[in-house]
Amino acid sequence: NAGVTQTPKFRVLKTGQSMTLLCAQDMNHEYMYWYRQDPGMGLRLIHYSVGEGTTAKGEVPDGYNVSRLKKQNFLLGLESAAPSQTSVYFCASRGQGLLRNNEQFFGPGTRLTVL
Amino acid sequence: RKEVEQDPGPFNVPEGATVAFNCTYSNSASQSFFWYRQDCRKEPKLLMSVYSSGNEDGRFTAQLNRASQYISLLIRDSKLSDSATYLCVVMGTTSGTYKYIFGTGTRLKVLA
Repeated sequence: NAGVTQTPKFRVLKTGQSMTLLCAQDMNHEYMYWYRQDPGMGLRLIHYSVGEGTTAKGEVPDGYNVSRLKKQNFLLGLESAAPSQTSVYFCASRGQGLLRNNEQFFGPGTRLTVL
Repeated sequence: RKEVEQDPGPFNVPEGATVAFNCTYSNSASQSFFWYRQDCRKEPKLLMSVYSSGNEDGRFTAQLNRASQYISLLIRDSKLSDSATYLCVVMGTTSGTYKYIFGTGTRLKVLA
């Protein structure tokens, strides 16, 4: 049981390049999330998904796209990377509990630098 | 006002000390509350969910005060390994969607 995994762990891009970050979970969770974490700021939600085939915008969606073709995978795409997207990206998933068993589980993160 | 606020610290305490953190939240309709621990350059890991009745797990005790809209985390007998950043997370619903709001974290350093 690997939990939540992310690939790659590190990446350096040049401005304008594109890339896809992969998140996978083996807990059969319905909900999946992509966050970015920047110094001095709390985790900010980029996009999320409430089930296979669904996606929705979070707090900071501009410049990112996502897809959830399979329940276990949630992909985050950067169409044309910008230096402002230099950050640590975390994926998370959670089950369907309402007031209990509703905690999120996080992947190990992807450190992205855009030059 | 931020939706979730924490004192960034750092809290520097000697081994064996008791330390407490508070976290305030602005949305009175918030439903669930969590404390996560985050080590440097690592992912957040769930430390405790915080229930209305309060809960305890070994040296860690979490309390919820809905009237004053804050949650607290108490760490007794601090260990060097407790050094980390502690994130407060509040969950509520907005237009039928669960929304998790993260504090910026409180840094704890336990000193030998």
